[in-house]
Amino acid sequence: KNEVEQSPQNLTAQEGEFITINCSYSVGISALHWLQQHPGGGIVSLFMLSSGKKKHGRLIATINIQEKHSSLHITASHPRDSAVYICAVHFISSGSARQLTFGSGTQLTVLP
Amino acid sequence: NAGVTQTPKFRVLKTGQSMTLLCAQDMNHEYMYWYRQDPGMGLRLIHYSVGEGTTAKGEVPDGYNVSRLKKQNFLLGLESAAPSQTSVYFCASNRVGTEAFFGQGTRLTVV
Repeated sequence: KNEVEQSPQNLTAQEGEFITINCSYSVGISALHWLQQHPGGGIVSLFMLSSGKKKHGRLIATINIQEKHSSLHITASHPRDSAVYICAVHFISSGSARQLTFGSGTQLTVLP
Repeated sequence: NAGVTQTPKFRVLKTGQSMTLLCAQDMNHEYMYWYRQDPGMGLRLIHYSVGEGTTAKGEVPDGYNVSRLKKQNFLLGLESAAPSQTSVYFCASNRVGTEAFFGQGTRLTVV
């Protein structure tokens, strides 16, 4: 079965801490997305990656295809980073439609 | 550019009523999707479209219908709303192999 699991479900950090959110998936993928959902509900794409590592500001996303695992790191965390972070993948078996399968999300709270 | 726009943003329906949610994108994307988001669960695909005039069922299509008469619009219909359809609905669009853009969501309550 095509599944995506995220950990932890909830994470509380102090401002300035280094944060890691993990995502693992069950079978082969063609791409993995990291998304951010703020209170109020809008969803924004942070990264799309199929190999290696991407960096944007204080955010870093890595993926290990062999281990079927990805991590999202936030350096020097800030209260404005508080949001739900969602991992989503295109399983190869989804074919040409390239449907996304989503993890259940990680609620991050950064305290000042 | 507006990106992906969903209307309405909020709606309360009585059981058995019907409604249509509209998703509009101005990025000339081929693919469009309707998802629902429920507490404790990841977003689940309801229906999707790979181009104008084509639609297909996703993971949870029962009770919903869709149409894509124009490339920029993807409509989600509920013919006879049920309390189990209380959810937050998201529309998304993208080109093949690129990041997805999401609408702001529609919070639907069926009483």
